[in-house]
Amino acid sequence: SQQGEEDPQALSIQEGENATMNCSYKTSINNLQWYRQNSGRGLVHLILIRSNEREKHSGRLRVTLDTSKKSSSLLITASRAADTASYFCATDGNQGGKLIFGQGTELSVKP
Amino acid sequence: NAGVMQNPRHLVRRRGQEARLRCSPMKGHSHVYWYRQLPEEGLKFMVYLQKENIIDESGMPKERFSAEFPKEGPSILRIQQVVRGDSAAYFCASSWASGTDTQYFGPGTRLTVL
Repeated sequence: SQQGEEDPQALSIQEGENATMNCSYKTSINNLQWYRQNSGRGLVHLILIRSNEREKHSGRLRVTLDTSKKSSSLLITASRAADTASYFCATDGNQGGKLIFGQGTELSVKP
Repeated sequence: NAGVMQNPRHLVRRRGQEARLRCSPMKGHSHVYWYRQLPEEGLKFMVYLQKENIIDESGMPKERFSAEFPKEGPSILRIQQVVRGDSAAYFCASSWASGTDTQYFGPGTRLTVL
């Protein structure tokens, strides 16, 4: 079964607004990673948060992790049209090596 | 420092032919992972390799698919006797260490089976 489940599946906002995407997972993890994928392209790594961390920032990105609820959120502040992409969370499932991806959130930022 | 390289970027094969996908990890990375992405879906893990060793192949179909990462040269994902259902984007990722380390992805190879 899916380890990571993103919510919502699709999100449409105006430029300048904030976008929040959520990810839930089922088993214990060592870390959780967020990736961005533009249509027809490869994945770009955004941020990695370890199981002993609760929050992490990188530029306009803020990631939180709640291991008690087995959930994470990705916040993109002051969104831009260039942020339009699919966003995936991926966990290691405490298995080492392989990543288990969710179905992704498709973000559309309208200028 | 070049990123993960994959070639070819696009590959067209007829049913029954062989597909050979190549991946060169980032410099200094000795861990390679292959994932498959079907249209409108997330990525599914296939196999994890270190130099000359298959560490985890739990996501590989039992038949027709094989992977290697030789001491010298790129990692190869090989699909024999391709079928239409093999049409997908195949992504390779590499990391410096295993398990808890960040995986960096290549641009993918888009395989189309006619």
